[in-house]
Parts: sequence; C-alpha cells; structure tokens
Amino acid sequence: GAVVSQHPSRVICKSGTSVKIECRSLDFQATTMFWYRQFPKQSLMLMATSNEGSKATYEQGVEKDKFLINHASLTLSTLTVTSAHPEDSSFYICSAPRQQINEKLFFGSGTQLSVL
Amino acid sequence: QQQVKQSPQSLIVQKGGISIINCAYENTAFDYFPWYQQFPGKGPALLIAIRPDVSEKKEGRFTISFNKSAKQFSLHIMDSQPGDSATYFCAASTVNTGKLIFGQGTTLQVKP
Repeated sequence: GAVVSQHPSRVICKSGTSVKIECRSLDFQATTMFWYRQFPKQSLMLMATSNEGSKATYEQGVEKDKFLINHASLTLSTLTVTSAHPEDSSFYICSAPRQQINEKLFFGSGTQLSVL
Repeated sequence: QQQVKQSPQSLIVQKGGISIINCAYENTAFDYFPWYQQFPGKGPALLIAIRPDVSEKKEGRFTISFNKSAKQFSLHIMDSQPGDSATYFCAASTVNTGKLIFGQGTTLQVKP
C-alpha cells in the first residue's frame, strides 16, 4: 500500500487563487520531505526540501514567496501555490524517506494542478 | 555538474526482449543511483537502486549495471512485458542530502 499520501490528486482553479497540496507520510515519521514539479513529458525537477520545525530550503530559481512550504508535523508537509497563474499548471509530487535519509525514498501519487 | 543524462528518449521493444536504458553522471560525489518507473498521472515508483561499491545488482527481471570509472549506469529489463510500458527515470544523489537529480526519462513501449 501507499506509504506517502498526497492530496488532492487533481485541482482546477482560477488564476489568482491559492492552492494547498498536502503530503502525508503514513505509519512513519519524516523530518524531511521533498517537493518536485513535473511538466508534461518532462523530468522531475526538485523545487524544495521541507524540514520539520524549520524553514524549507528552496532550489535555485524557485520563488519561495510563491511556493510556500510548511512542515507542520513529522507526518505532514504542505505546499501552497499562491496567486496561481496558468504557467504554474503542472504535476506536483512530494516524496519522503522512510528509513535513513534518501534510502527507501517513497513518492506520493502526485497532484495535477490546472490554472485557468 | 549536477546533471544526469539519460538515453534513449524513447524505446520500443518486442515482448520477451531486453530493454536497455543508459545514464551518465558527472558529479563524483553521487553515491546512490535509483531507477524509477512512472505511469501517466502517477508518482514515480522505486524499481531498483545501487550504491557505487558494487558493479551489478539484480532484482527479478531488473538489473542495474554500474561502471564507476566511466560514471555510467544502466537498467536492463529482461523478458520485457507489455505491462512494463511506462516512463523510466534514472536518478542520482548523495545519501546524506536526500536530493535526487533525475535523468530526462525514457518512454518504453513493449509491443505484444
């Protein structure tokens, strides 16, 4: 069964609105989670590292004010796309390491965001 | 130096054949090399992974071959089946960072 749960699986929103995506680790604690973005027929690009109890670490070129990450507990990280625009439409995927960092790295099922 | 280059972009194989996907990396600090399988609209699923202290790892029909000196690694899918049709990604990272750098992906089609 799934060890990382991501919700919602699909969201359609109007331009200018904010969208929150949740990533939960099931039956294990994750002090670190990762957020990726994937455009159609392209690879996964790491956006940021979510750290429980501290600020997220963003990759170069990712706007931290636009993509707000909150790691509220050892099992939950959220990604909020603020003031979404059509160019933010993408497949967003989270992941969490189940054992020692990076080993047994499990991915969520992804969230397809479509901004009209 | 952070790139992972993957080839081919697409691959068509007959049922029962061997599918081979290749990856090359530049960063010698990488010490973890997983392969992921992704179906449309789904998150990637870990297939098999290798550390640089071994040259080959086999799990069922999937084998990773690793050449540390050439900084290359490959995935071999033996007895390929139509159900293997998916997009495959190689990746690399250093274990202590947890950050995966993905290859560009290979779309595999296995014809019945």
